[in-house]
Amino acid sequence: NAGVMQNPRHLVRRRGQEARLRCSPVKGHSHVYWYRQLPEEGLKFMVYLQKENIIDESGMPKERFSAEFPKEGPSILRIQQVVRGDSAAYFCASSPDSPDEQFFGPGTRLTVL
Amino acid sequence: AQSVSQHNHHVILSEAASLELGCNYSYGGTVNLFWYVQYPGQHLQLLLKYFSGDPLVKGIKGFEAEFIKSKFSFNLRKPSVQWSDTAEYFCAVKTGGYNKLIFGAGTRLAVHP
Repeated sequence: NAGVMQNPRHLVRRRGQEARLRCSPVKGHSHVYWYRQLPEEGLKFMVYLQKENIIDESGMPKERFSAEFPKEGPSILRIQQVVRGDSAAYFCASSPDSPDEQFFGPGTRLTVL
Repeated sequence: AQSVSQHNHHVILSEAASLELGCNYSYGGTVNLFWYVQYPGQHLQLLLKYFSGDPLVKGIKGFEAEFIKSKFSFNLRKPSVQWSDTAEYFCAVKTGGYNKLIFGAGTRLAVHP
């Protein structure tokens, strides 16, 4: 009974490189959420997607960040030209069609050198 | 803007002590309320949730929380903590028709044997 899978678990990038974070939701879940946790802070909502659609991206930085959830395959959070301030833990969550509860993955810890 | 406040950032208790973690939110409309726990090295897990009905909610592992609408609060309690309760605890709110969760900054609980 696989939960939310995220990979990689740890990602190291140099400034200016691209980071791609992957999230496979619980089987049968069609809603995916991305959250970011900076050191000593709580999780902050970034984006909410359903299959092939972005529903709410009110928490996404305006530049360099994008997300997708294609018809087939995992959801991808992409960060272009990373900066040191992007270092954080990025959590993905998924929920079923009646989204009363979100199930979280283990997170990807991004370190930008 | 909606926000969630967790008053205690670090709590240290001895085993068998009683626990109460505070959570207040700022939103005047309908809310769904959650407590999540993150054990060391693990992903977030749902402890309990409140949607409607009895304001005293019982969750897993002996935890409970009480929704007090007039105080905009949803405090987490456990009558007798164990060493295995050492973890970080997050209060979260879902408001209106939005699916995103708004998290508090978290409370780190350390239980000493």
